[in-house]
Amino acid sequence: EAAVTQSPRNKVAVTGGKVTLSCNQTNNHNNMYWYRQDTGHGLRLIHYSYGAGSTEKGDIPDGYKASRPSQENFSLILELATPSQTSVYFCASGEVGGAREQYFGPGTRLTVL
Amino acid sequence: QQKVQQSPESLSVPEGGMASLNCTSSDRNFQYFWWYRQHSGEGPKALMSIFSDGDKKEGRFTAHLNKASLHVSLHIRDSQPSDSALYFCAASEPGYQNFYFGKGTSLTVIP
Repeated sequence: EAAVTQSPRNKVAVTGGKVTLSCNQTNNHNNMYWYRQDTGHGLRLIHYSYGAGSTEKGDIPDGYKASRPSQENFSLILELATPSQTSVYFCASGEVGGAREQYFGPGTRLTVL
Repeated sequence: QQKVQQSPESLSVPEGGMASLNCTSSDRNFQYFWWYRQHSGEGPKALMSIFSDGDKKEGRFTAHLNKASLHVSLHIRDSQPSDSALYFCAASEPGYQNFYFGKGTSLTVIP
């Protein structure tokens, strides 16, 4: 079973603070993704990566940065957190191509006060 | 514009009943369609994929794809309370490595 883990699972941050969400996968997948999930919006793609050292903008990248230092790790960085970034964030990994399944982590619930 | 539209937003069916979920896309380049299921407090998990016109059956779950009308559906027969979850439709096109997800259908199976 493919494994994707996320940390922390819950995070409370203050407005203007820096937040880093971490993701690790043991699947040796090239592609990794960060989504946010909000009621009424479904899953929206923030950033993704095709491999170590690469990051690409998704559909809603504003206010977020991403880092892929290795095949296994992919981080999402909020340099100046805002209350509008309160959400549940999911990391996923997958092989190349839309015919291949994406494997999701358990999610991180972020609250920005 | 949302490229993948799902209906209904929510659905309640009695235990043992049939649940039918719908998904339409606005992009004729989409070739790969997936259904993902998310139980409360968990991450989404792939339920099944369908890439060719027609039906694909996996146990109690049947997916149907009609590429001409850009419509895909998921039918769950003999619904169980454990089927209560959020169901996402996802689509992708050849050469594109990401999915477009719909907003989801919340299914409740009433015991």
